[in-house]
Amino acid sequence: ETGVTQTPRHLVMGMTNKKSLKCEQHLGHNAMYWYKQSAKKPLELMFVYNFKEQTENNSVPSRFSPECPNSSHLFLHLHTLQPEDSALYLCASSQDPRGTDTQYFGPGTRLTVL
Amino acid sequence: SQQGEEDPQALSIQEGENATMNCSYKTSINNLQWYRQNSGRGLVHLILIRSNEREKHSGRLRVTLDTSKKSSSLLITASRAADTASYFCATAPYNQGGKLIFGQGTELSVKP
Repeated sequence: ETGVTQTPRHLVMGMTNKKSLKCEQHLGHNAMYWYKQSAKKPLELMFVYNFKEQTENNSVPSRFSPECPNSSHLFLHLHTLQPEDSALYLCASSQDPRGTDTQYFGPGTRLTVL
Repeated sequence: SQQGEEDPQALSIQEGENATMNCSYKTSINNLQWYRQNSGRGLVHLILIRSNEREKHSGRLRVTLDTSKKSSSLLITASRAADTASYFCATAPYNQGGKLIFGQGTELSVKP
């Protein structure tokens, strides 16, 4: 248990569906992150939120829409995804948004797009 | 060009042996972190080493950092079957906020 939870753990969706991934951190951290892990590729940073404000969008397609209502919760809204978006989506948090300390990861959501 | 490249990509050893994994990177960094991932699950943080540090230990883990060569190594001593996992290095580039850049990882298999 890292103190970061993600739901759902598995998600299968069609290309026309809309779904959301949820992340919650119980560590009192100020920064939260979304990463994508595809097979045979390094983890890719998608978004960074510091104190609820988005500070990084790593050229992510608009079919992925993040939302951070407070420092403890982070969502990733999905719509009209493509099969190549199938991947493990990992959420992380850290105390210091300047990148000077450890990031704690959740267990991930395994997403399959049909 | 890719930051944080691990070497080797795969490593297979017997229980009790030591495992060494290497990581190279390209830009100036705040710190370098090593993570472990068991088969498609979340990442577990192992060690963070700052740019002004040269070596850190945690239990059976030893990490070194050579900023002049832009490289790091992770040594796992007296390996166990439970150490079987993928190991990733991640660099926190200097002055880029909370960004972490991950390498492809090393798949370690420890045979009983």
